[in-house]
Amino acid sequence: EAGVVQSPRYKIIEKKQPVAFWCNPISGHNTLYWYLQNLGQGPELLIRYENEEAVDDSQLPKDRFSAERLKGVDSTLKIQPAELGDSAVYLCASSLGQGSADTQYFGPGTRLTVL
Amino acid sequence: KQEVTQIPAALSVPEGENLVLNCSFTDSAIYNLQWFRQDPGKGLTSLLLIQSSQREQTSGRLNASLDKSSGRSTLYIAASQPGDSATYLCAVSGSARQLTFGSGTQLTVLP
Repeated sequence: EAGVVQSPRYKIIEKKQPVAFWCNPISGHNTLYWYLQNLGQGPELLIRYENEEAVDDSQLPKDRFSAERLKGVDSTLKIQPAELGDSAVYLCASSLGQGSADTQYFGPGTRLTVL
Repeated sequence: KQEVTQIPAALSVPEGENLVLNCSFTDSAIYNLQWFRQDPGKGLTSLLLIQSSQREQTSGRLNASLDKSSGRSTLYIAASQPGDSATYLCAVSGSARQLTFGSGTQLTVLP
């Protein structure tokens, strides 16, 4: 079974440029998450989707970040414009969404460098 | 707000040793606790998940325990191997199913 797929794996852009990340979750997983991970720290949740509905986006900086999950499968996370402080790894995860035994499966992440 | 702390931040042991990684959390109202492994440049791999009603889970050489009342969990690794070298992350899930992660313990097992 294929795992969570993310692209690109690496992205280098100049500040003020836009950037987009793509995620394809495990087939059948209704819940999709986007996390941000800074060096030496654990991931922090940006947004969680149940099918195509964003049910928790309280940590998403809405002035520059946006996300969508069309048809409840693939998802894209966009930053416009990017700032130096956005340099980090952006992780996508998915799960079946089954109560207290729900395990999240993570993709390899996209490492963003903003110059 | 839930806070998760992992001690130590880094650990280096010789091959074959048994070791314990520690995790503490501030809010005991959790759904579950998970231990993840992260290799350099890679995503996270789930190792063990302990539901709030459980006390421990085992998988091979790994054993994780949960004491909700004291807000603590431990990950025990038996007979460590160089291939166990990675960063180990503890995460707790609340009713909103939001995972709150610790900063991790970077483990190095020396041959």
